[in-house]
Amino acid sequence: DSGVTQTPKHLITATGQRVTLRCSPRSGDLSVYWYQQSLDQGLQFLIHYYNGEERAKGNILERFSAQQFPDLHSELNLSSLELGDSALYFCASSVDPGNQPQHFGDGTRLSIL
Amino acid sequence: GESVGLHLPTLSVQEGDNSIINCAYSNSASDYFIWYKQESGKGPQFIIDIRSNMDKRQGQRVTVLLNKTVKHLSLQIAATQPGDSAVYFCAETSIYNQGGKLIFGQGTELSVKP
Repeated sequence: DSGVTQTPKHLITATGQRVTLRCSPRSGDLSVYWYQQSLDQGLQFLIHYYNGEERAKGNILERFSAQQFPDLHSELNLSSLELGDSALYFCASSVDPGNQPQHFGDGTRLSIL
Repeated sequence: GESVGLHLPTLSVQEGDNSIINCAYSNSASDYFIWYKQESGKGPQFIIDIRSNMDKRQGQRVTVLLNKTVKHLSLQIAATQPGDSAVYFCAETSIYNQGGKLIFGQGTELSVKP
């Protein structure tokens, strides 16, 4: 058990909809990272928050957004969903960007019908 | 450039043999490297890491070797067990310049035959 909790485990929805994925980092970790894993693109970095502030952005679509709350949990919001957004979404956490490694949750599997 | 998902290489070994999984990383400025193990239905699990000022690091049954000259990383697993069957990913980053962004390799599927 990595100590990183992600909910829900599975999400099935339709094109055009909006969903919110939730992540609770390990106790004491201030950095939260989001990654997308798909069959054709592998594991891709989306965004990093540190202590409530956005720290780095990867190839994250404009339809996607994230935030980190004062209690350090994070949410990834995906809107106007398309079939191609079907993937596994992972959250990881570390103490801070300079203190690695990142520890991963077990992900949310998003299926768009 | 960044690594892109391709057909997953596979490595099949006999239980008890040693396994070597290789990874070519992409960014010569990367200074920190990690190996992760991913089992079906789970997230990547940290195995071992190494910083660029080292060329070898050992853990329990695992060793990571780093060759910065040719940008190559390897993971050696001693006395491979059926529980080691999984997909293994290498990841790289520059801790101070990448904002914590990990760049992952394509992964290698390890299959251990009993």
